Amino acid sequence: LAKTTQPISMDSYEGQEVNITCSHNNIATNDYITWYQQFPSQGPRFIIQGYKTKVTNEVASLFIPADRKSSTLSLPRVSLSDTAVYYCLVGDGGLTGGGNKLTFGTGTQLKVEL
Amino acid sequence: ETGVTQTPRHLVMGMTNKKSLKCEQHLGHNAMYWYKQSAKKPLELMFVYSLEERVENNSVPSRFSPECPNSSHLFLHLHTLQPEDSALYLCASSQVQGADGYTFGSGTRLTVV
Repeated sequence: LAKTTQPISMDSYEGQEVNITCSHNNIATNDYITWYQQFPSQGPRFIIQGYKTKVTNEVASLFIPADRKSSTLSLPRVSLSDTAVYYCLVGDGGLTGGGNKLTFGTGTQLKVEL
Repeated sequence: ETGVTQTPRHLVMGMTNKKSLKCEQHLGHNAMYWYKQSAKKPLELMFVYSLEERVENNSVPSRFSPECPNSSHLFLHLHTLQPEDSALYLCASSQVQGADGYTFGSGTRLTVV
């Protein structure tokens, strides 16, 4: 499983755009990039997933450069309720064998203030 | 509600007690997982069940005993726990193969006294 590196923490203010970058230099050809959000005392929640280029949904965008060695989660106009830990994970979903296992790192603690 | 339900939400137990955590999903998933999250630590994968068969046991002490009677239910049986076992225990489900990711439950906050 490819290792990921992301900042331990980030601070922002309400209404700003927040970009969290994750490095995954050893990403494999079949790996997808997935981001999760976790609030205290709750399970992580799927935010967005992508393979290459740009993916956008109703809550976030995911930018993946051509070499796929990094990815950036973009949260537009954050609010206080976006204060959470954000995890970047890479994996192939078990599509090439070995099971669908996810290994979580320490994540990025985002704090949004007024 | 995420589609994965965990009970109880909170549990306080003594070191000599026996208790069980329950996880239930009706998402049609065929893989289920137990994770442990201690304070300010990353999630640790404990057990993986794929098609109701245990496929991974990450050096978890025998005082934790998982059970997966069918693809919709997963249990974690606890006995003679230690205070350091106090943590948030999270259940998740997914397809055995599929890049759609996991769906997590809200967890059981376990305190061992």
